Amino acid sequence: EVQLVESGGGLVQPGRSLKLSCAASGFTFSNYYMAWVRQAPKKGLEWVATISTSGSRTYYPDSVKGRFTISRDNAKSSLYLQMNSLKSEDTATYYCARQNYPGPFAYWGQGTLVTVSS
Amino acid sequence: DVVLTQTPVSLSVTLGDQASISCRSSQSLEYSDGYTYLEWYLQKPGQSPQLLIYEVSNRFSGVPDRFIGSGSGTDFTLKISRVEPEDLGVYYCFQATHDPYTFGAGTKLELK
Repeated sequence: EVQLVESGGGLVQPGRSLKLSCAASGFTFSNYYMAWVRQAPKKGLEWVATISTSGSRTYYPDSVKGRFTISRDNAKSSLYLQMNSLKSEDTATYYCARQNYPGPFAYWGQGTLVTVSS
Repeated sequence: DVVLTQTPVSLSVTLGDQASISCRSSQSLEYSDGYTYLEWYLQKPGQSPQLLIYEVSNRFSGVPDRFIGSGSGTDFTLKISRVEPEDLGVYYCFQATHDPYTFGAGTKLELK
């Protein structure tokens, strides 16, 4: 059974940093692209980042490019999202997802809430 | 960026009815490899989103055959042939053809 478990969310002040983690199990992690998708409170979904199987290629929308960095450790079956220079508009639940690149997010974690506020 | 416009914003149905959701794209979603990366997700209340349909019309593993995706180019539709209680929630279309990937704003399916 595919399982994705996010951690690392919490309350952080504007301008500070936070690192999210996602522990994967139930599949060969190194064979799949992975992604982060977020959802602001009571709002829709927004793609945040995608990383290739080896980690050599990463993709971001302009809203987070230069501030967020996606990475992975295939030996640990783990995905990460380093978030710097956080803004109030980054407040959201962040989901880790397995991506059948270039297509869909086939499996999702339960999400971790990040609140950016002073 | 590609804009996906979903209609209606909300849809009230009676159990057993058919429901239809439209997703229109500001650009063609046919990729250079010939595939069209248009997907549909359902987010049930209090849950993470789940994949229903990929590449316009392919049902993901375990998705009932009452969910039918169709369309091409810029116009896409998700039909639910006989709505059941577990189908209620917010439906999102999503495109992975163009960078950046984008989601529609969502359609809330609720009981009349």
